[in-house]
Amino acid sequence: DIQMTQSPSSLSASVGDRVTITCRASQSISSYLNWYQQKPGKAPKLLIYAASSLQSGVPSRFSGSGSGTDFTLTISSLQPEDFATYYCQQSYSTFRAFGQGTRLEIK
Amino acid sequence: EVQLLESGGGLVQPGGSLRLSCAASGFTFSSYAMSWVRQAPGKGLEWVSAISGSGGSTYYADSVKGRFTISRDNSKNTLYLQMNSLRAEDTAVYYCAKGFRYCSGGSWYGACSAFDIWGQGTMVTVSS
Repeated sequence: DIQMTQSPSSLSASVGDRVTITCRASQSISSYLNWYQQKPGKAPKLLIYAASSLQSGVPSRFSGSGSGTDFTLTISSLQPEDFATYYCQQSYSTFRAFGQGTRLEIK
Repeated sequence: EVQLLESGGGLVQPGGSLRLSCAASGFTFSSYAMSWVRQAPGKGLEWVSAISGSGGSTYYADSVKGRFTISRDNSKNTLYLQMNSLRAEDTAVYYCAKGFRYCSGGSWYGACSAFDIWGQGTMVTVSS
């Protein structure tokens, strides 16, 4: 099975900061990488698909990049509503593995 | 409005069974693959199972294979997860999720897919 590893596991930042979260696959997954945001007690929300395509309705401050094994999610200017946990997920293989999550906290 | 609503969770003893349901509305249910994803308390997301739009094809995570069965009734716009031989490690919030294919052609479970709509989740607790 493909393993997904995110870094960091947690991150403290301030409103207005630029933040980058990294996701690494244990083998090449081309660009079959999705990003989700989850707030406490809520269901995940799709942010980015195909590594860099913004899901409809998602603010443009969110962006994704990468291919092969290394991917990044960038938030260009943090807003109060962005403090949440972020997960990457690969769709290359049958077992749709998620990363362990990155918790983004207010500094 | 596109919506998924899970039900059927609860407390069950180890070795017991439970059936989860996910009622879909606002989209042509039979046209989309569906999945179950779970989240143990305080933990990350784990994909559990997927089913094609017709219900004729299914996939399972190794952790549930042989114990869980995914199915759907397109006439009722409802997805199911039958869970047997439950273990403590199956304790989690279970989400149903709609498949989103962003490319044309290929397999129903091809790589160019994501989960674009999620239900609110239903809690399953396996404990004596």
